[in-house]
Amino acid sequence: AQSVTQLDSHVSVSEGTPVLLRCNYSSSYSPSLFWYVQHPNKGLQLLLKYTSAATLVKGINGFEAEFKKSETSFHLTKPSAHMSDAAEYFCVVRPSTSGTYKYIFGTGTRLKVLA
Amino acid sequence: KAGVTQTPRYLIKTRGQQVTLSCSPISGHRSVSWYQQTPGQGLQFLFEYFSETQRNKGNFPGRFSGRQFSNSRSEMNVSTLELGDSALYLCASSLENNEKLFFGSGTQLSVL
Repeated sequence: AQSVTQLDSHVSVSEGTPVLLRCNYSSSYSPSLFWYVQHPNKGLQLLLKYTSAATLVKGINGFEAEFKKSETSFHLTKPSAHMSDAAEYFCVVRPSTSGTYKYIFGTGTRLKVLA
Repeated sequence: KAGVTQTPRYLIKTRGQQVTLSCSPISGHRSVSWYQQTPGQGLQFLFEYFSETQRNKGNFPGRFSGRQFSNSRSEMNVSTLELGDSALYLCASSLENNEKLFFGSGTQLSVL
């Protein structure tokens, strides 16, 4: 069965310090992995996507994520947090089996950025 | 290019009523999927449509249904509303063979 686990429901960082949001996945097949961000009262916006081309994926707004197959992890990082990064972040897995169009969302990590 | 448009933005209904939510995808996108978001359950997949056909369905009761029109616009319907149906309903569209989902701002449904 496919699943995704976000290890922290809340993360607080100070502005200018690094951000690490952790995600582990379980998939029987080589999955596609995504990170989405949701600002208050908004829909979700794609940050980045992994589809096996490169293990280090760069996304928008300075975010990047590294795919580690041996650890089944896809952690999201950013070198320096901005106040505008405060939002909820979702790790998403899409199993790449034929005929599967279902995306599995993690429970989300709420990032708080302290001034 | 306009984004995904969901209407209405807010809805208040009472138990037992039914509701229809609308989603207009990005022009050219033929896949539309629906998600329910609640504080307790997070984001849960409802169903996905492509070219007017439902390709996948989540684990929701039959009270939740949807359809897609020839112009790719989609509607979802919830009948016999329950208090637990209160949620943010999100619609997402994507191109075929392109896995990026583009989300609307959602419809906030409150059931009293």
